[in-house]
Amino acid sequence: EAGVAQSPRYKIIEKRQSVAFWCNPISGHATLYWYQQILGQGPKLLIQFQNNGVVDDSQLPKDRFSAERLKGVDSTLKIQPAKLEDSAVYLCASSLDQQWSNEQFFGPGTRLTVL
Amino acid sequence: KNQVEQSPQSLIILEGKNCTLQCNYTVSPFSNLRWYKQDTGRGPVSLTIMTFSENTKSNGRYTATLDADTKQSSLHITASQLSDSASYICVVVPANFGNEKLTFGTGTRLTIIP
Repeated sequence: EAGVAQSPRYKIIEKRQSVAFWCNPISGHATLYWYQQILGQGPKLLIQFQNNGVVDDSQLPKDRFSAERLKGVDSTLKIQPAKLEDSAVYLCASSLDQQWSNEQFFGPGTRLTVL
Repeated sequence: KNQVEQSPQSLIILEGKNCTLQCNYTVSPFSNLRWYKQDTGRGPVSLTIMTFSENTKSNGRYTATLDADTKQSSLHITASQLSDSASYICVVVPANFGNEKLTFGTGTRLTIIP
């Protein structure tokens, strides 16, 4: 079974530039999550999708972050404009659905460095 | 506010030795507690999942224990190998998941030296 795919794996940009990350979840998984993991900390949920609808985006900085999952499969996360404090690993995860019993499978992450 | 605290922050042990990582949480009520292993540059991978009624769960050389009364969990690694070098993250799933988020610990960084 193929895992969660993310690209790019690494990205270096200057502050105020824009950047986009892509995630392809495990086939058949209805729920998709984007997390931000700052060095030395645990992942923080940014946004959760159930199919193509947003379930929770309460911790997403909406003035600069946006995400979409138009067809209920792939998802993109965008930052515009980036700030220094956005430097982190952005993890995508998916699960069969949003029940607590369903395990979340994580992708390898995209490491973003903002200079 | 729900919290998950892990200790120690980092640990260095010799290959072949055993070690125990600790997780204390305040999330209540909760549905299950999970331990993840995160290799450098990789996403977290699930090691064990325990419901509130389970006391112990094993996965090879990894054994997790749970004391719901004291709100403590531990992850014991037996006969450590170099490949065990990673961060270990404790995650607590609240009982009303959907209205509340998963609570992640900050992790324990484990280094195994030959």
